[in-house]
This record gives sequence, structure tokens and C-alpha cells, in this order.
Amino acid sequence: GQQVMQIPQYQHVQEGEDFTTYCNSSTTLSNIQWYKQRPGGHPVFLIQLVKSGEVKKQKRLTFQFGEAKKNSSLHITATQTTDVGTYFCAAIDGGATNKLIFGTGTLLAVQP
Amino acid sequence: KAGVTQTPRYLIKTRGQQVTLSCSPISGHRSVSWYQQTPGQGLQFLFEYFSETQRNKGNFPGRFSGRQFSNSRSEMNVSTLELGDSALYLCASSLVGTGRAKETQYFGPGTRLLVL
Repeated sequence: GQQVMQIPQYQHVQEGEDFTTYCNSSTTLSNIQWYKQRPGGHPVFLIQLVKSGEVKKQKRLTFQFGEAKKNSSLHITATQTTDVGTYFCAAIDGGATNKLIFGTGTLLAVQP
Repeated sequence: KAGVTQTPRYLIKTRGQQVTLSCSPISGHRSVSWYQQTPGQGLQFLFEYFSETQRNKGNFPGRFSGRQFSNSRSEMNVSTLELGDSALYLCASSLVGTGRAKETQYFGPGTRLLVL
């Protein structure tokens, strides 16, 4: 079945530093979604990318979908303590389905 | 509009028992998906229900089952609990669940199940 790999598993940064997490698939993805889960919380939808090479921004967050639609990245500029949490990418498992295949997630720790 | 609600929020059971978890989707949403989250396996898809029918199923044993009612509320049941079933069980709702670009899944707070 489809697998989505995500790196790194864990990142510790000083507040103000940048952060990037990467998501890779061996197969072409129809779209990719990004979620954030705060410690003790549940995944919250951030954004969905559909087009090849698409770049979307949400304030300090920049999301990118690769040209081949096999990889994606999330970049946070000048991290803040409120950015702490686990960031997941997720791909639809092909066809007309709502089944999400989640990446392994990247836990971001931000030291003030 | 109220979000996705799940009950109970916390549950402690012993091995061999069975458990039923409930999920109420956002009003108007007809698709409900269930996920299991564990530290070791991450977030894994259990099944999806739409219009009272199971539309998709993940790779879980038959001990895991679910159903959906006419009001779109969904329940999942785990029979003969094992220690490894300890996890956070999340449900997510969306409008029609076609997986198309405009669809978004909204997650509930989850039910944290501990099996002793």
C-alpha cells in the first residue's frame, strides 16, 4: 500500500530559528494535506496542496508540493513557542476515498 | 457550528473486555472516519462510514468494527481487548468524503483508551 515517509522525526530549535519538515512518497500523490497536533490535542487541518509545484503561505508557514507530486515540505520562519507540536503530512489513498495515509510526523520543540 | 465530539474522552478497560466509542460529526457532515494513534504506529486509518455504510477499511483485525446511524453519528467497537489496543482513537468528519481537493476532515478530541 501507499506509504508516506516524513523526516525528521524530531527537531529542537531555539525560538526565532527556522524549521522545515519533509514528506516523501514513492508514488505520485493526488494531493497532500498538512496537520498540526499540539501535545495532548488532536490533529488540526492546516492546508491542502493539489497542484504540481504549488506553494502556499500562511503567515510564517510556507507549504510546498513537489513538481513530481511525490514530495512536500513545510517551512516555518522564525519559530515561536506556539509552534510546538507534531506536524503531519497526509495523502489521500488514491481514488474517490477519504482514507488518509499519514506520515510519521515531526515533533517540533521550541526553546524560548 | 459545533465541532466533532467524541465520548467518552478517557476509558480504562481490562484485557478481554469490549468497548464502544462514540463520535458525533459536525452538523451536515455525512462521512465519518476513524483512526488509531499510538506512539509506535502513528496515525492509522481504521474505517470510514458514509450514509450508514462502511466505505473503506484499514488493516485491522475483525475485533475492530463500527457502524453509522441515520443521523451520521458513528460508533466503533473493539471486542476482546488486548494490551496493544491502548491508544488514542480519533474520529474525523467531512461533508461527503469523496477525497476531492476541497474536502477537509475535521478531527474530534479523541478517546484515550487504556487497556490493563
